[in-house]
Amino acid sequence: SAVISQKPSRDICQRGTSLTIQCQVDSQVTMMFWYRQQPGQSLTLIATANQGSEATYESGFVIDKFPISRPNLTFSTLTVSNMSPEDSSIYLCSVGRAAEDEQYFGPGTRLTVT
Amino acid sequence: GDSVTQMEGPVTLSEEAFLTINCTYTATGYPSLFWYVQYPGEGLQLLLKATKADDKGSNKGFEATYRKETTSFHLEKGSVQVSDSAVYFCALSRRDSNYQLIWGAGTKLIIKP
Repeated sequence: SAVISQKPSRDICQRGTSLTIQCQVDSQVTMMFWYRQQPGQSLTLIATANQGSEATYESGFVIDKFPISRPNLTFSTLTVSNMSPEDSSIYLCSVGRAAEDEQYFGPGTRLTVT
Repeated sequence: GDSVTQMEGPVTLSEEAFLTINCTYTATGYPSLFWYVQYPGEGLQLLLKATKADDKGSNKGFEATYRKETTSFHLEKGSVQVSDSAVYFCALSRRDSNYQLIWGAGTKLIIKP
């Protein structure tokens, strides 16, 4: 398993601003993922964060809106840019290791945009 | 493409009742199957998993059996507790999809004392 922390745990932001969410893992991992979970909904994958290369984005998500960094094997950030109330959601980081099928999740960041 | 279908919630039960949450899947090949649980205000925790046909995953009194003939992975528990109240997600992943998780919609479980 892995222990994952996210910062901040929650935030209230004004529309038009940006927020950077940090994800820290207690051990090196191959794969890091960013998800969005809207209230009462399932998880939607935003992107896969690749160490040393650009993130791979899912359909409907673009780098300009959700830039991601992955500077090493234990850390990643997701920025939610130019926020609108529709971005209000829980953002979750998860990690996985090569050739393993499990993912482990952080506690999430609850974002409210006013 | 791959998909996961769960029974709609909320499911409301009394304490000590028997629980079944249905999950069926569509996937090529031989996916791994998972149940994750999300307690109120928390992230997701892996509850159990199974990686091949007829495998049974179990944890904390919960069980699920990988049924390839019916493409199902139903979650069961013999006697639920109030502390089991949470949202339960069924999911699958395949090695040739880089283990990307495909999620069900989630089922909210409410246990009343």
